[in-house]
Order: sequence, then structure tokens, then C-alpha cells
Amino acid sequence: GAVVSQHPSWVICKSGTSVKIECRSLDFQATTMFWYRQFPKQSLMLMATSNEGSKATYEQGVEKDKFLINHASLTLSTLTVTSAHPEDSSFYICSAPGGSGRRGEQFFGPGTRLTVL
Amino acid sequence: DAKTTQPTSMDCAEGRAANLPCNHSTISGNEYVYWYRQIHSQGPQYIIHGLKNNETNEMASLIITEDRKSSTLILPHATLRDTAVYYCIVSGNNRKLIWGLGTSLAVNP
Repeated sequence: GAVVSQHPSWVICKSGTSVKIECRSLDFQATTMFWYRQFPKQSLMLMATSNEGSKATYEQGVEKDKFLINHASLTLSTLTVTSAHPEDSSFYICSAPGGSGRRGEQFFGPGTRLTVL
Repeated sequence: DAKTTQPTSMDCAEGRAANLPCNHSTISGNEYVYWYRQIHSQGPQYIIHGLKNNETNEMASLIITEDRKSSTLILPHATLRDTAVYYCIVSGNNRKLIWGLGTSLAVNP
């Protein structure tokens, strides 16, 4: 149990286009999800906290108008990279905290590799 | 900034115990110690967490010093599939995790 999926697993797009990444909790509900970005040979950087039914909370330095987050339901959060540029190429990962009985754990999606040409 | 310090890399022979240290000298009383690992190009995987008592699960053991300023993750019988980057993170109940660079563990045949 406690599986988080992401779609797509990889995407290549042209500069200036927008890309949507989905994060789903498959067998549990998640009122909160987290979005991370990871550049090669670097650690995960928290971008934002996605909250079901309310606005996302962005970390300092992350442009909320560029990285649109929508927490549409208790099992789905989406991250849209708007007007993507090559410097946005990265590995994007989402996570969701475990429910009752598994507090303290976070479950991570497999990640989405974005390449912007 | 990450509030933990870990060695950059470690090696371990297959079948032997892997002991991964972590220093967290500024840990607060309400902060837990979490361990995750990330296999190349995958999402991180939860391993174990603890507050002040030692913990054990099917994957690993976590030994926390009495003053809570450091801890050790123990993989009792390392396999090749345990090759990964291991992250030690301290966090309170808000569940926001701040990631350092971790320890790259290489398990050798």
C-alpha cells in the first residue's frame, strides 16, 4: 500500500511550451502533497506544498506564476511548468505523507524527467 | 540549509553490515530523525525514523545517541540492491523535509 504515481515519467518539450505533471496517491488520500526538483548530482529541493482545497505554499525563490500547482482532489495534485525554458530541465518528484498508522513516512513518486529543448 | 552532516561516500562489502553515520548536533527536542534512500533516477524511499529510542524494522536499524546529536543507520546484511544515496533528515511535525547531499553507499560484490 501507500503508492504514489507520477505521469508522465519523462517528457521532452520545446522552449516556451507548458508541461503538466500529475501526482496521484493510489491507495490513500493526501490532503497535502509536496513537489521537489532535483538537478543532476544535487539533492532534492522542495519547491512547494500542495494543499487540497486551498492555494499551494511556495518556497522562497520559487516563482508561483511559473510553477502552477493545483490540488484537484484528495488523490491528485498537478504541477504545470509554464513557458518552459532549458534551465527548467530537471527531475521533478512529488511526495505525500502517510496516513494513519504510517505517520512520519512520506511516499514518493517515481519522478518525472523534464527536458526542455 | 540542511541540519545534518553525513560522509559523502562509503563502501561496503556485500553481505556485511553497512553503518551510515549522521551528525545532527542542532536537533530540537520535537524533531525526528528520518532516513530515506534514493536509487539512481528514482524517487526516494522511506527507510526508518525515530525520536530518541533506537528503532528497527524490516529494512534497517536506527541507533540514536543519548544526547540525540548523532545517529547511525545500520543495514544488517547489505546487498547490491542497497547501493543508493542515503539521506539523514531531521524534521518536526510539519513534514517538510530539507534534504542535504546524503551519503552515496556503494555495495561491492
